[in-house]
Amino acid sequence: DAGITQSPRHKVTETGTPVTLRCHQTENHRYMYWYRQDPGHGLRLIHYSYGVKDTDKGEVSDGYSVSRSKTEDFLLTLESATSSQTSVYFCAISENRGENTEAFFGQGTRLTVV
Amino acid sequence: SQQGEEDPQALSIQEGENATMNCSYKTSINNLQWYRQNSGRGLVHLILIRSNEREKHSGRLRVTLDTSKKSSSLLITASRAADTASYFCATPLNNNDMRFGAGTRLTVKP
Repeated sequence: DAGITQSPRHKVTETGTPVTLRCHQTENHRYMYWYRQDPGHGLRLIHYSYGVKDTDKGEVSDGYSVSRSKTEDFLLTLESATSSQTSVYFCAISENRGENTEAFFGQGTRLTVV
Repeated sequence: SQQGEEDPQALSIQEGENATMNCSYKTSINNLQWYRQNSGRGLVHLILIRSNEREKHSGRLRVTLDTSKKSSSLLITASRAADTASYFCATPLNNNDMRFGAGTRLTVKP
């Protein structure tokens, strides 16, 4: 899976608690992305990063924050988890801008908020 | 709203048959990509077709793009049980975002 590791792979958490998901890459790619996948919606972009400390919002960013202090790590934080954030989260990386090159995906993190 | 939408939502065929999936999109694009997702796994890039290309091949995969109709198709020839997966088209929305459709679930029966 192109040197992308997501952790944890599965997590169950309670409503209102903060949660952090980690994406680690060994490819030295500049661009990193967090998507969520829900039935009937495909993948939706939450946040992305185009370099260390350079991040921007995606389509469904409310309730999420991200940080990228190193090239290889991209963290996604749910400030206060809600049941609507139950989903499968995917990290992706790409060498160039997303539209012009292929993206490589991690294996996903299944998050359940109860 | 989704930029790319795949059709059909689900497709079931016998091994050896061809599988055709379609993708429609709404705005002008520079390129379109197809991805495959096996159950419980991340997406894997299959092929990228640029707006000035009409057809592209990769092994048993054939992708067409009709920019006048804002549509693309993915053909898998001589399908195998291992082709069972969900297939997604992805189109660029802005400089750094790709929009994925809800996917086509393909089942290839042995």
